[in-house]
Amino acid sequence: RKEVEQDPGPFNVPEGATVAFNCTYSNSASQSFFWYRQDCRKEPKLLMSVYSSGNEDGRFTAQLNRASQYISLLIRDSKLSDSATYLCVVTLDSWGKLQFGAGTQVVVTP
Amino acid sequence: DVKVTQSSRYLVKRTGEKVFLECVQDMDHENMFWYRQDPGLGLRLIYFSYDVKMKEKGDIPEGYSVSREKKERFSLILESASTNQTSMYLCASSPSTGGGEAFFGQGTRLTVV
Repeated sequence: RKEVEQDPGPFNVPEGATVAFNCTYSNSASQSFFWYRQDCRKEPKLLMSVYSSGNEDGRFTAQLNRASQYISLLIRDSKLSDSATYLCVVTLDSWGKLQFGAGTQVVVTP
Repeated sequence: DVKVTQSSRYLVKRTGEKVFLECVQDMDHENMFWYRQDPGLGLRLIYFSYDVKMKEKGDIPEGYSVSREKKERFSLILESASTNQTSMYLCASSPSTGGGEAFFGQGTRLTVV
């Protein structure tokens, strides 16, 4: 079983709509959680950290559910520029070793 | 502006060659990582290093080795390149406190023929 699992998508979203997707992780001792964004043929970049109480950054909202071992990302008022692959990332130890999911592709259409 | 620089964007090597991929960061980060990224599999950790001369195996270390003689430089070595090592290789660095943001290099597309 993979450490971090994601629905690969693609999620086809009309511009202005809301899209949400989850990521599950297998290790209950996981310490930190992140969403990264990767554009086509580019390197991944941090989108946002995910905190226990949930957090928001503009149109993006991240939630963590430790009991069920999943994190979620919600994008409101989708823009064409939101089209990308969103990578769920978990750290398993205090060194900050990152474990990546395979990514969820989001395609925002006009 | 923070920078992680990988020595090559594209590389073509022959089967059996010894291949060196170099990565340099200018952020004084303790942690450095090597990942490979393949379609449908995401990023898989090959090796990581949490200090100079310190290294830990990741999920797929077979066929690879690493070297970290200086804090800013982390090298990935393919001892004898094989076609199944054709992939995108990504280097990253992060500060030592767990959960710090990781910064990636632009990637090296390696093709082994």
